[in-house]
Amino acid sequence: RKEVEQDPGPFNVPEGATVAFNCTYSNSASQSFFWYRQDCRKEPKLLMSVYSSGNEDGRFTAQLNRASQYISLLIRDSKLSDSATYLCVVKDSSASKIIFGSGTRLSIRP
Amino acid sequence: ETGVTQTPRHLVMGMTNKKSLKCEQHLGHNAMYWYKQSAKKPLELMFVYSLEERVENNSVPSRFSPECPNSSHLFLHLHTLQPEDSALYLCASSQDYRSGELFFGEGSRLTVL
Repeated sequence: RKEVEQDPGPFNVPEGATVAFNCTYSNSASQSFFWYRQDCRKEPKLLMSVYSSGNEDGRFTAQLNRASQYISLLIRDSKLSDSATYLCVVKDSSASKIIFGSGTRLSIRP
Repeated sequence: ETGVTQTPRHLVMGMTNKKSLKCEQHLGHNAMYWYKQSAKKPLELMFVYSLEERVENNSVPSRFSPECPNSSHLFLHLHTLQPEDSALYLCASSQDYRSGELFFGEGSRLTVL
């Protein structure tokens, strides 16, 4: 089983729709969780950290479910500019091990 | 200046060449990283440096040799590479090596002929 698993997609949704995707992780000792966004042929950029209580940043909501070992990202009122690959990142309890998922590709159509 | 700068942006080299990738961060961070990104594969961590000391080495072939002369600069020296080493090499920095909040450079796209 992969340490971090994501549905590769692509998710193809119309502008204005709500879209959500999950990421599962295998190490129950994982401590910190993040979503990054990577545009085509660009570097990854931190989108948001995922806190135990969940967090919201504008149209983006991230949730953590420790019991089922997954994190989720919800995007409301999607924009064309949201088209990108979304990378799930999990950091385990040791100091430096940061694991990236393969990413979920999202395409927003007009 | 952008936070993390990488040069060159593109590099083509033969298998017998020796070249180096350079990374510089202007964020005052204490940790720097090299990642490899190949098509349809997740980012692979290669090396981590904290305050110029290497703290992680993920079984990377010796044809890749990192160097961190100070907390702002990181190099990746390349020699006798293989075609399968062709990839995007991303440098990143973070406040410290316990942080998962990484700031990436734009990457150096390497092609090995």
